[in-house]
Amino acid sequence: DTGVSQDPRHKITKRGQNVTFRCDPISEHNRLYWYRQTLGQGPEFLTYFQNEAQLEKSRLLSDRFSAERPKGSFSTLEIQRTEQGDSAMYLCASSHPGQGYGNEQFFGPGTRLTVL
Amino acid sequence: QQPVQSPQAVILREGEDAVINCSSSKALYSVHWYRQKHGEAPVFLMILLKGGEQKGHEKISASFNEKKQQSSLYLTASQLSYSGTYFCGTEIGAGGTSYGKLTFGQGTILTVHP
Repeated sequence: DTGVSQDPRHKITKRGQNVTFRCDPISEHNRLYWYRQTLGQGPEFLTYFQNEAQLEKSRLLSDRFSAERPKGSFSTLEIQRTEQGDSAMYLCASSHPGQGYGNEQFFGPGTRLTVL
Repeated sequence: QQPVQSPQAVILREGEDAVINCSSSKALYSVHWYRQKHGEAPVFLMILLKGGEQKGHEKISASFNEKKQQSSLYLTASQLSYSGTYFCGTEIGAGGTSYGKLTFGQGTILTVHP
């Protein structure tokens, strides 16, 4: 088991461009979460999936953000028409209620987005 | 609503103890504790569930006061490796079902010196 992986690790883009991030959860973890973290703050919930179903999306997210988890495996997070305020670390986490301690979330290394 | 952590920062010498608190204004289903080192991902430490059940690493202890919706993380005999930012994540149960949706506090920076 190699843990949660995210790609790319760093992304620099110009304002107005679209970006897409990928998250590969731990194998067989049926829950997948996306968070955003800015410097000096805790992770902020964006959205989460149970298998392929997106159960909730934060009201803080604009329509420029979309996430998918086809076939309940990897997930992608797309940001359209990026703004400088989107600059942050985007973290992915996965969990399986029937394993380990229950709902503990295993985080990936994150994708650091810088919008110029 | 974001839980409130206190203190914001703690400085210790190796071997000293520390307590980090997390308080919520909402009725909680569970409290999770994570530690994050600079430039790394948060790492799970402990889950405290409504009803008193605790699950986590043996060297970490914590409490959950359901009446006050407060949790405390106890770090005893601190080691250099304990340094990092500690976050509590709170979950509000939806009809008794847990989906693991966490709202994190702003973090407590712990620094342990030799």
